Amino acid sequence: SAVISQKPSRDICQRGTSLTIQCQVDSQVTMMFWYRQQPGQSLTLIATANQGSEATYESGFVIDKFPISRPNLTFSTLTVSNMSPEDSSIYLCSVDGQGARAFFGQGTRLTVV
Amino acid sequence: TQLLEQSPQFLSIQEGENLTVYCNSSSVFSSLQWYRQEPGEGPVLLVTVVTGGEVKKLKRLTFQFGDARKDSSLHITAAQPGDTGLYLCAGRAGGTSYGKLTFGQGTILTVHP
Repeated sequence: SAVISQKPSRDICQRGTSLTIQCQVDSQVTMMFWYRQQPGQSLTLIATANQGSEATYESGFVIDKFPISRPNLTFSTLTVSNMSPEDSSIYLCSVDGQGARAFFGQGTRLTVV
Repeated sequence: TQLLEQSPQFLSIQEGENLTVYCNSSSVFSSLQWYRQEPGEGPVLLVTVVTGGEVKKLKRLTFQFGDARKDSSLHITAAQPGDTGLYLCAGRAGGTSYGKLTFGQGTILTVHP
């Protein structure tokens, strides 16, 4: 199994500012995934972060808005830049474990005011 | 783009009733997973089904993978208030076990005592 520590767990931010979310895994993993989730709704993949290369972004998400760092095999950050109220959401990081099981952090609940 | 249509979106039932959640796609998935998520937490894996026609049971939960590996169902017998939560189906594409997960829209289940 993989234990993922994600922080902050929640934050309230002013529009126009940026927030960096950190994700720490207790084991080395090749890929880390960043998702966005509206409360009570499904998960939408933002990007896949590989160590040593640029992140791969899904349609509708761009690096300028959601820059990602992946400095080593156990850590990644997602920044939500120039925030607007539409960015209010839950952001989750995830890794794959044995048997293609996905493990998730507890999420970061972001409110932009 | 592979899509998973999950239904119903909301279920509100009394304790002791049975229920079924469906997950359908026009695409073939190499595996399909069901997750349960509680508020303030990330999704937690319930089961993975891999073989067409496969049926797995987890106490009062029965999971089925369609013969063509395009659809799946989750059946809960004698639901209890502790079953309340967000249920998500998720499929992995192609012939690999790892990589991008496609999530259904989610089903919010509320079981009233």
